[in-house]
Amino acid sequence: DTAVSQTPKYLVTQMGNDKSIKCEQNLGHDTMYWYKQDSKKFLKIMFSYNNKELIINETVPNRFSPKSPDKAHLNLHINSLELGDSAVYFCASSPRSANSPLHFGNGTRLTVT
Amino acid sequence: DAKTTQPTSMDCAEGRAANLPCNHSTISGNEYVYWYRQIHSQGPQYIIHGLKNNETNEMASLIITEDRKSSTLILPHATLRDTAVYYCIAFSQGGSEKLVFGKGTKLTVNP
Repeated sequence: DTAVSQTPKYLVTQMGNDKSIKCEQNLGHDTMYWYKQDSKKFLKIMFSYNNKELIINETVPNRFSPKSPDKAHLNLHINSLELGDSAVYFCASSPRSANSPLHFGNGTRLTVT
Repeated sequence: DAKTTQPTSMDCAEGRAANLPCNHSTISGNEYVYWYRQIHSQGPQYIIHGLKNNETNEMASLIITEDRKSSTLILPHATLRDTAVYYCIAFSQGGSEKLVFGKGTKLTVNP
């Protein structure tokens, strides 16, 4: 009964491939996020969705396309993978109310070779 | 969002209190102070947050100075499982849409 679950946990792929990472939350939250943690361990927000609507889109290449089929799911699709995309990607969710803490998944480690 | 500064690393003996400082001298009146931690290979975990008053929950206590320019996270009885990177974050009320993580403090609890 994990609150925020991501699949797969590990993903190894070659440059140029297209891959997807799935995220699901069973907390009933309205807002979901994708964060990227690079090799230097910096956590940076990529996207935020509220009730399936995109509300934050940081400076992320358009090869990255989030998709929210419903408010419990936020998937991340990446086209034409590059070496620099190697990182750990974290999904998170939070309620709509102000100052509600984020709940994170345990991450997907993406390695592009 | 206000920038925060934290020591890069700290050590603490098991069973003792761990006091993690954070400076946020440019914090504005409506910005809250949040603390998260990240245990190795896991996602960040929310610990506590506050605006002006000191706060306590089952995990930790948060002490915010009267001028709100700094705060201290206190883990009253540190255990080995508290070894993690601790992030202090200040951001404005209105939602968690843009939580910005800095470098954090690597806390090592030693037996």
